[in-house]
Amino acid sequence: DAKTTQPPSMDCAEGRAANLPCNHSTISGNEYVYWYRQIHSQGPQYIIHGLKNNETNEMASLIITEDRKSSTLILPHATLRDTAVYYCIVRVATQTGANNLFFGTGTRLTVIP
Amino acid sequence: DAGVTQSPTHLIKTRGQHVTLRCSPISGHKSVSWYQQVLGQGPQFIFQYYEKEERGRGNFPDRFSARQFPNYSSELNVNALLLGDSALYLCASSFRVGQGHQPQHFGDGTRLSIL
Repeated sequence: DAKTTQPPSMDCAEGRAANLPCNHSTISGNEYVYWYRQIHSQGPQYIIHGLKNNETNEMASLIITEDRKSSTLILPHATLRDTAVYYCIVRVATQTGANNLFFGTGTRLTVIP
Repeated sequence: DAGVTQSPTHLIKTRGQHVTLRCSPISGHKSVSWYQQVLGQGPQFIFQYYEKEERGRGNFPDRFSARQFPNYSSELNVNALLLGDSALYLCASSFRVGQGHQPQHFGDGTRLSIL
């Protein structure tokens, strides 16, 4: 599975866009990029995923570079409730059909009032 | 709709004891995965089960075992507990496994403390 590299921490002003980068330079063609976040004392929460194209849902947008070696998660209008650890994960289905998620240490995003 | 539910929420054990953690997946989900999250680190994959069969195993000792029942709920068992087993144990469910988009939905975990 491809490894991901994320900055350990970032700050963002409330109401501004939060842009969280992720490098996954060894990603393979069939590997999806997933983003999860974990708010203190809770389980990880699915945010968004993508394979090749940019994606948008009610929570965030995901921008994947054309060579797929990096991506950016965008929270368009950050609120205090978005303070969390954000994980960028590259997931592949194994020959046994498993869909393991390999988490790194993530980016701790702090939204500042 | 109910999400992934785990029990108990907190548990205190002593070294050498055995523990069983339980997980009920989201209704309709047939795959359950277990993760261990040590303080300050991201979750680490332990097992994935689908249709009662083990489909994946992480780098954990044989003291860790799991099973999935016909109703798709699951148990994680850990024998001969060590201090290092103190962690948040997370369960995640997904509809199926294999290729394609398969988001895993997590419960809030069981906090296991070993004294």
